[in-house]
Amino acid sequence: DTAVSQTPKYLVTQMGNDKSIKCEQNLGHDTMYWYKQDSKKFLKIMFSYNNKELIINETVPNRFSPKSPDKAHLNLHINSLELGDSAVYFCASSPQPDQPQHFGDGTRLSIL
Amino acid sequence: SQQGEEDPQALSIQEGENATMNCSYKTSINNLQWYRQNSGRGLVHLILIRSNEREKHSGRLRVTLDTSKKSSSLLITASRAADTASYFCATEGNTPLVFGKGTRLSVIA
Repeated sequence: DTAVSQTPKYLVTQMGNDKSIKCEQNLGHDTMYWYKQDSKKFLKIMFSYNNKELIINETVPNRFSPKSPDKAHLNLHINSLELGDSAVYFCASSPQPDQPQHFGDGTRLSIL
Repeated sequence: SQQGEEDPQALSIQEGENATMNCSYKTSINNLQWYRQNSGRGLVHLILIRSNEREKHSGRLRVTLDTSKKSSSLLITASRAADTASYFCATEGNTPLVFGKGTRLSVIA
């Protein structure tokens, strides 16, 4: 049973395209996150939702838009993809915002 | 920024030896967490230590926290080849969880 699952695992696309990454958690957690990990392994938070409400929105280009249809899902849509968007994107969840997080296995996004 | 910074960046040891990784941060925190990341996988939470705690144990893991020095250490005793991974500290305070750049641990059988 995968606790936090992301799809797709790999995403290769061309500059300028629009793509979405889906995330689902079956842990019953209230809080979900999106992180970006660059080629140097630096992990930075992008967004966080608590009970479907946006609570953290770090300095991220407007081309990135999260959507949480319910507590168990947090999807990430990216418009007009750029070369610099190439990275591994991780979804995570936690019972509450200040508690340990459970991560998915990541989506490796490559922009050609 | 209260970003944690791990030291060393990379560590290579023989199986059975102990591994110590350090983390320093800049501002006051509520808690500090350690995570492990195996190659190609997501992060796995190892241990959380609160700002009013000085030491915590979990199996072969021992974490210390010195808030006066704004530093923490993670000790893995009797290391195994399966401990090979990257280890990250993350601090939680007035801002969301902030991760350091990690220590890459290689345990040679």
